[in-house]
Amino acid sequence: ETGVTQTPRHLVMGMTNKKSLKCEQHLGHNAMYWYKQSAKKPLELMFVYNFKEQTENNSVPSRFSPECPNSSHLFLHLHTLQPEDSALYLCASSQEGLSSPLHFGNGTRLTVT
Amino acid sequence: DAKTTQPPSMDCAEGRAANLPCNHSTISGNEYVYWYRQIHSQGPQYIIHGLKNNETNEMASLIITEDRKSSTLILPHATLRDTAVYYCIVRDTGTASKLTFGTGTRLQVTL
Repeated sequence: ETGVTQTPRHLVMGMTNKKSLKCEQHLGHNAMYWYKQSAKKPLELMFVYNFKEQTENNSVPSRFSPECPNSSHLFLHLHTLQPEDSALYLCASSQEGLSSPLHFGNGTRLTVT
Repeated sequence: DAKTTQPPSMDCAEGRAANLPCNHSTISGNEYVYWYRQIHSQGPQYIIHGLKNNETNEMASLIITEDRKSSTLILPHATLRDTAVYYCIVRDTGTASKLTFGTGTRLQVTL
């Protein structure tokens, strides 16, 4: 148990579907992150939220839309994805402003058909 | 881009110490060294971090050279469950505090 819970664990969606990934952290942190891990590639940072405000968008296509309603919850809304978007999507949280580490969830394995 | 260099793979016999090296020759004064590991199909797990002093916790020890240009993660008694990809990351806590992952070291612990 990492204190960061992601749902669903697995998701299969068609290219015309709309779906959302959910992340919840129980650690009292004030920063949250989305990372993408494609097969045989390093983890790639997608978005950073600090005190519910988006502070970084790492040139992510608009078919990925993040939402951070409060410091404990983070969503990634997906629409009109491509097969190459199939990957493990990881959420993390940390206490911003300190050297405290990021804590990761176990990810959502997304397959786009 | 990742600011660290690690060997792509290492082997270690179960029960022996696993010493994983990392080079970070361009590290700046306010950057910490973090170590994570990732077991297949799980999220990265935090292991340890340090600035300039050696650090030890229940999982591992971190040895940082005096010039801070390299470090070694030590798993004192490796088990089969320590088989994973280990990532060494330098992180500036004065910015957005993001972690930039490289390709890591794949550690295989064998009987």
